[in-house]
Amino acid sequence: AQSVTQPDARVTVSEGASLQLRCKYSYFGTPYLFWYVQYPRQGLQLLLKYYPGDPVVQGVNGFEAEFSKSNSSFHLRKASVHWSDWAVYFCAVSSNYGNEKITFGAGTKLTIKP
Amino acid sequence: EAAVTQSPRSKVAVTGGKVTLSCHQTNNHDYMYWYRQDTGHGLRLIHYSYVADSTEKGDIPDGYKASRPSQENFSLILELASLSQTAVYFCASRDWGGSSYEQYFGPGTRLTVL
Repeated sequence: AQSVTQPDARVTVSEGASLQLRCKYSYFGTPYLFWYVQYPRQGLQLLLKYYPGDPVVQGVNGFEAEFSKSNSSFHLRKASVHWSDWAVYFCAVSSNYGNEKITFGAGTKLTIKP
Repeated sequence: EAAVTQSPRSKVAVTGGKVTLSCHQTNNHDYMYWYRQDTGHGLRLIHYSYVADSTEKGDIPDGYKASRPSQENFSLILELASLSQTAVYFCASRDWGGSSYEQYFGPGTRLTVL
């Protein structure tokens, strides 16, 4: 069965610093991968998605992620965080079949220090 | 812009009572999903549907029923609410086919069972 592990429940970075949020997935075959963001008291919004192709994908607001099949990872990065990035970030995996559900990780809560 | 709405946005229910959560989408999407969110667990899939008048069990269906009377509407029903069902519930929709597997989320319903 597919699964996602986000090893860091909480991450704190200073405003302007770089960011990496880790994601490890388990899936037999080639997965479809996603990062979603949840701002306080809101639903989830898609940051970026990976479909088989270029391993580095660009998302909104300066976020990018890199797919590694050898490491079973899909880490999220940002060069310089802003206070508005304060949110919970979820990594998710789906199969490449038509109907399939998405499996979410437990999430990483990002806090920004001024 | 895809649109998924949920009602009510929050609800307090008594143990043993019946609760119905509603979801409406204007995306003309085939797939709809119900998730619950608990701290430390991310989102877990309860039920989903890929066509009107049909529903499928997700990963944690026990204690929940679902109803899809039309393409636009998808309800989650708790016949006998229990304390353990206190959580935030999210509805999502997704198109079928093509290359997009993105799910569009509603704002969530905060359910408290007393």
